[in-house]
Amino acid sequence: GAVVSQHPSWVICKSGTSVKIECRSLDFQATTMFWYRQFPKQSLMLMATSNEGSKATYEQGVEKDKFLINHASLTLSTLTVTSAHPEDSSFYICSAREPWDRAPYEQYFGPGTRLTVT
Amino acid sequence: LAKTTQPISMDSYEGQEVNITCSHNNIATNDYITWYQQFPSQGPRFIIQGYKTKVTNEVASLFIPADRKSSTLSLPRVSLSDTAVYYCLVGDNQAGTALIFGKGTTLSVSS
Repeated sequence: GAVVSQHPSWVICKSGTSVKIECRSLDFQATTMFWYRQFPKQSLMLMATSNEGSKATYEQGVEKDKFLINHASLTLSTLTVTSAHPEDSSFYICSAREPWDRAPYEQYFGPGTRLTVT
Repeated sequence: LAKTTQPISMDSYEGQEVNITCSHNNIATNDYITWYQQFPSQGPRFIIQGYKTKVTNEVASLFIPADRKSSTLSLPRVSLSDTAVYYCLVGDNQAGTALIFGKGTTLSVSS
């Protein structure tokens, strides 16, 4: 199946700094990618939909000025957590779909990025 | 997107068959039923997907009754490595919209 990668796999940063997380579709082009956040012992929560060449669509309650998403190419989407605070510490997961796939319509998930803000 | 309800947790022993049932009473005509598996600190992994009746692959079976208001994921002869969280998702996958996750079922397999 298709592969989605994320970099870095884990990152520790100081409060007030910004962190960029990359999501890449390795063997397919993805016009749309999705960003999720997962706190310990909780389910995945959709943050935003990243569209290549246009602005991201954010879910209600997600601050678009804090979580900057850039989908500059068909294989790369980035999530930048600006002015990070300890409460932003979480597991961030991206996913992507092949644009013209057939059933089963699978959404491929990256391995996740563990962000710890101290 | 249709909301799903599944047990919070299940326990099993190695070698047993495990069936996890998911309720999705307001499933729409275009919705597919998809199950994902997630291990701690990893991204979810696709297990199986179906629209109606029964689907089987090398790791699981998915049973869907005629009214499609529920589905059952069947894992044959589980092992310790099947300990994970299992998510049932319902949505119009063909439309390409994001998957919305419910709480999932934590399966614990003991020896």
